[in-house]
Order: sequence, then structure tokens, then C-alpha cells
Amino acid sequence: SQQGEEDPQALSIQEGENATMNCSYKTSINNLQWYRQNSGRGLVHLILIRSNEREKHSGRLRVTLDTSKKSSSLLITASRAADTASYFCATGPVKAAGNKLTFGGGTRVLVKP
Amino acid sequence: DGGITQSPKYLFRKEGQNVTLSCEQNLNHDAMYWYRQDPGQGLRLIYYSQIVNDFQKGDIAEGYSVSREKKESFPLTVTSAQKNPTAFYLCATTGGGSTDTQYFGPGTRLTVL
Repeated sequence: SQQGEEDPQALSIQEGENATMNCSYKTSINNLQWYRQNSGRGLVHLILIRSNEREKHSGRLRVTLDTSKKSSSLLITASRAADTASYFCATGPVKAAGNKLTFGGGTRVLVKP
Repeated sequence: DGGITQSPKYLFRKEGQNVTLSCEQNLNHDAMYWYRQDPGQGLRLIYYSQIVNDFQKGDIAEGYSVSREKKESFPLTVTSAQKNPTAFYLCATTGGGSTDTQYFGPGTRLTVL
């Protein structure tokens, strides 16, 4: 199984609502990152949280990290139709060579206008 | 997608043929990566290169080959030994101020006819 597993696999919300998705991982990490992918496109980096951080904000994004539970959450507040995309967590394990990241399977978010 | 280009955007291959996917970057980044993404799935690492003339296998290297003769270029060849090559292929780089964040190209969709 993959290092990062997102939950739920899919999420459908109305515009203006908040969207929350979770990521669990198995091994010790240096950092955890969230990426967004619009359909048929490359991934775009959203936010990085380091293992010694518990919460980070960027605009309408809020990320938390609980290393004791090996889990992270991504909250998108006041969602917009343009937030419709797949969201992936990626972990940077402590002993990974070459700054390799391990990606989860993603959460597909649909924001309905 | 920044300064990373992938070509072609769509590629069709007959069974038994080798095909080469291009990835070029003008970000002056040292490290480059190739990922495979299957429908509804996360990314899996094929090969990565931290420096010119050096590269390492990722998690699913069988049936693929790469070269890194120039810093700007990291082409991926999908050989006839890859039994199920139909997928979306993404190239990424890291470097500059942060070696943790990956920057992705727009991807190449490969279909075997």
C-alpha cells in the first residue's frame, strides 16, 4: 500500500462550503506536502508542512499535521467552483534518497455552483 | 507548469514499439523525476536523476529507460518490455531555494493501440 492514503476518495460540496480531506502515512517523515491536479494537467504545489510544525495556513488553505497519529488534514474554506480538482498528499520520508516523495491516491473534490 | 515542458501532449503507440517522451526544464534545477499515473490513482515513481549523467530506479522502473546527458533534459523511453504502458506520464523537478517542493510539467498521455 502507498505511504500516503487520502480520505475520502471523493467529495462533493456546494460553493461556499468548506472541504476537508485527510491523509494518513506509515513511516517517519521530514515533511508532508499537498498538491492539486486539475483534470488532465500536471500537479501544482499548494503547501508544505514540516514534521516539527502542527498547523500552517496559506490563503483559504489550512493544513494540520499530527505526527503521533501519522496523519494530516487539508481544509479549504469558502470553496469555489475553481477548487474542483484532485488533491494529493505527498510525504518526504526521513531516509529517502534523492528528495523522493511518496504520493497518495488523492481526493477528488467537486464544488457545485 | 512553470519552466517545464513535456512533449508530445498525446502519444499513440503500437504494441511492440519503443517510444520516447520528452521533458525539458529551464529552471536550472538539478533533480528530475518521472512518474506514472493511472486513471483515478496517485503517482508512482519510475526513475529519478539528481545530477547529470546519473539516475536511479524508482518503484516501477521495469520496461522503462532514461538518460540524463544534459541538465535541462530527462527523456523517458517506454520500451516494448512494458506490458501495460497506457497511462499519464508526469515529469517533475526540484532545485533552487527549496529541494523539497516538486514542480511538474503538463504531462504526456500515452495510449497503446
